[in-house]
Amino acid sequence: GAVVSQHPSRVICKSGTSVKIECRSLDFQATTMFWYRQFPKQSLMLMATSNEGSKATYEQGVEKDKFLINHASLTLSTLTVTSAHPEDSSFYICSAGDSVGASEQYFGPGTRLTVT
Amino acid sequence: AQTVTQSQPEMSVQEAETVTLSCTYDTSESDYYLFWYKQPPSRQMILVIRQEAYKQQNATENRFSVNFQKAAKSFSLKISDSQLGDAAMYFCAYRSANAGGTSYGKLTFGQGTILTVHP
Repeated sequence: GAVVSQHPSRVICKSGTSVKIECRSLDFQATTMFWYRQFPKQSLMLMATSNEGSKATYEQGVEKDKFLINHASLTLSTLTVTSAHPEDSSFYICSAGDSVGASEQYFGPGTRLTVT
Repeated sequence: AQTVTQSQPEMSVQEAETVTLSCTYDTSESDYYLFWYKQPPSRQMILVIRQEAYKQQNATENRFSVNFQKAAKSFSLKISDSQLGDAAMYFCAYRSANAGGTSYGKLTFGQGTILTVHP
């Protein structure tokens, strides 16, 4: 099956700094990528949808200036958490499909962010 | 907007036994997809099974099968011959097949069910 990677798998940063998370599709072209946030033992919450070459579409309640998403190529999307605060600590997961309506999305392994 | 509800926060089963996880959903659409995902302690999301709404036949994948009741908007997952490796959090998910809708392509997840398998 198709493989999606995320880097880093874990990151610790200080409050007020920014951190970038990468999501890569390794063996297919990902026209669309999705970013999720997950708290322990809770469900995945969709943050935004990014399409290659266009601006991301954010879900209601997600601060677009705080969570910057860039999808500059068909294999790479990045999520930058700006001016991070302890409440931003969470597990971030990306998924990718080869089209908006792709029958299957492929999930990355996730990134655990801890803000101290 | 579509909603997905998993009413069982936790379930347990003895190894080799059968367990059924419940899922209901709400939608006004007629064409959509339903999924069950498994999230083990590694937290990697793994697709277990997929059902197209237009298909009446219930999907099966080895020991995993679904009971899809479209009129009742119910989509339960049956795990037969449970194994220790089945222990995980299971999520039911909905995806619209309406290309003109704002939710097209997005997955809506239920709250999840933690499955424990006892040896």
